[in-house]
Amino acid sequence: GAVVSQHPSWVICKSGTSVKIECRSLDFQATTMFWYRQFPKQSLMLMATSNEGSKATYEQGVEKDKFLINHASLTLSTLTVTSAHPEDSSFYICSPQNRVTTEAFFGQGTRLTVV
Amino acid sequence: KQEVTQIPAALSVPEGENLVLNCSFTDSAIYNLQWFRQDPGKGLTSLLLIQSSQREQTSGRLNASLDKSSGRSTLYIAASQPGDSATYLCAVHTGRRALTFGSGTRLQVQP
Repeated sequence: GAVVSQHPSWVICKSGTSVKIECRSLDFQATTMFWYRQFPKQSLMLMATSNEGSKATYEQGVEKDKFLINHASLTLSTLTVTSAHPEDSSFYICSPQNRVTTEAFFGQGTRLTVV
Repeated sequence: KQEVTQIPAALSVPEGENLVLNCSFTDSAIYNLQWFRQDPGKGLTSLLLIQSSQREQTSGRLNASLDKSSGRSTLYIAASQPGDSATYLCAVHTGRRALTFGSGTRLQVQP
């Protein structure tokens, strides 16, 4: 399977600060990146879809000004949680794809705790 | 809008039992279906991928079946072991190419 590296694996930050999460596809070109989040005891929900070089498309209820996504290259996408609040505490996970892959691959996930 | 449901939500069994986890989806127009394992606080491990044209896939003690017309998939785990304890997620791949996940089945295998 594909090798996906996501960092950091966990982060604790103070309310009001920003946190950047990186997702790298190490062995294939990710033309598309999906970002999901998972609240405790819930399943994964799609937050946004980004295509390399284009603006991200956000799911209903996800604030685009709060969750900034950059997908400037085929191997790197970043998710920045701006002005984080305790309700943003969640598990964030990326999934890179391209037109060839049919199987979904995921990063290791980032557990964000905002205090 | 695709919706994925998994039953049961939680399951506790003694070691050695054979298990069946169920997944149903509302829109049968899927590209494929994937079963994942998630350990507490961890990411996802892909277990099995079934293409829409396939009926089942097997890997070791795991067997997944797909009945696309009825919107159902089952994950069969043979001779369960304590190391199988985890949450099992079913996800379907539709035209949007993002996955729609079920809420998962939390499995506990007692030694």
